[in-house]
Amino acid sequence: KAGVTQTPRYLIKTRGQQVTLSCSPISGHRSVSWYQQTPGQGLQFLFEYFSETQRNKGNFPGRFSGRQFSNSRSEMNVSTLELGDSALYLCASSFQGAFSYEQYFGPGTRLTVT
Amino acid sequence: GNSVTQMEGPVTLSEEAFLTINCTYTATGYPSLFWYVQYPGEGLQLLLKATKADDKGSNKGFEATYRKETTSFHLEKGSVQVSDSAVYFCALGLTKDYKLSFGAGTTVTVRA
Repeated sequence: KAGVTQTPRYLIKTRGQQVTLSCSPISGHRSVSWYQQTPGQGLQFLFEYFSETQRNKGNFPGRFSGRQFSNSRSEMNVSTLELGDSALYLCASSFQGAFSYEQYFGPGTRLTVT
Repeated sequence: GNSVTQMEGPVTLSEEAFLTINCTYTATGYPSLFWYVQYPGEGLQLLLKATKADDKGSNKGFEATYRKETTSFHLEKGSVQVSDSAVYFCALGLTKDYKLSFGAGTTVTVRA
């Protein structure tokens, strides 16, 4: 079974631009979560989707948004990029949710904002 | 709120040494507890989990016991190998919360 795939793997953007990251979950998984990983803040939860519905959202500004499609693929968008948005963005999928099921993580998208 | 505190790193060990990484949590309700591992350049992988008090999770020689009385979930391995070099994250998840709360991560380096 193919794992969680994230595209692109690396991205360099300029301050003020916007960016869209994509995540394809494991086949059959309906829950997709996004996390931001930085050296200073560690792993922080962005949002979680299940069957196209956002069930939870972390404490991030409105510049961070996401969505999930009917095939469970998910995208996250960051508008008006800031230098502090430079991070590894991780996507994870699971059959239901995190609390009692395994979360399978993708390799991440490394975003650098200059 | 819900949070996880884990032992600061980095930790450097010799091969075959004993490894322990402390993890304590604060949570409202009864969380499930997890240890994830991240190898260089990769995403996180679930190492082990425990869903209720006194459960012991184990995998690849690693073990952790869910201790409700001390709100702890310490990770242990009796004899580490070079291939165990990675960053280890303790995490908790609560029913209907739909997210994992992670500790800061502990970098472990095992030398031959």
